[in-house]
Amino acid sequence: GAVVSQHPSRVICKSGTSVKIECRSLDFQATTMFWYRQFPKQSLMLMATSNEGSKATYEQGVEKDKFLINHASLTLSTLTVTSAHPEDSSFYICSARKSGTSVLGETQYFGPGTRLLVL
Amino acid sequence: EDKVVQSPLSLVVHEGDTVTLNCSYEVTNFRSLLWYKQEKKAPTFLFMLTSSGIEKKSGRLSSILDKKELFSILNITATQTGDSAIYLCATRGNEKLTFGTGTRLTIIP
Repeated sequence: GAVVSQHPSRVICKSGTSVKIECRSLDFQATTMFWYRQFPKQSLMLMATSNEGSKATYEQGVEKDKFLINHASLTLSTLTVTSAHPEDSSFYICSARKSGTSVLGETQYFGPGTRLLVL
Repeated sequence: EDKVVQSPLSLVVHEGDTVTLNCSYEVTNFRSLLWYKQEKKAPTFLFMLTSSGIEKKSGRLSSILDKKELFSILNITATQTGDSAIYLCATRGNEKLTFGTGTRLTIIP
């Protein structure tokens, strides 16, 4: 199988605090992980691509200093929302691509998502 | 910029009906098109299509890709209430997936 976990599944925090979300590939190695954000009734928007051992690549309009991504190992990537504000409230989903698979044939496996509410 | 457009945005049908969901795309360096089903959590994978004209089938769900006309359809026959979900179409260009806005499907018992 290919299982991706996220922790926490739900978090409520006060405005101004930082929140860390973990994404783990449980039974495979992932050199590349992706972080998405989904607002209510909208589609998934890619925030950044995380490569193990190197800096993340951020999509246009995503502040790299606000959304810190670390991909320190082949099974773990973390997203830290720094100084969170109510407008950061959203559903954050990570996905992982299996190492060694060709870009043509590979599938991304999604984590269950983290619902963030900033008060 | 890559673009994926899904239609309809929402669809309400009765249990037992057949539905067809549409996905059209403009992608640089197209590699594959994927369909996902999203209920309350993250999307679950349904199909990946890379070649034109070859139908992928899984139970009551099937999908086909037309690379010349740049679209794909997802068919669900004999719908059940458990099919109620958002169905997302995504295309892969170089490295990343680009998602459409999804079709919200509601099945009425």
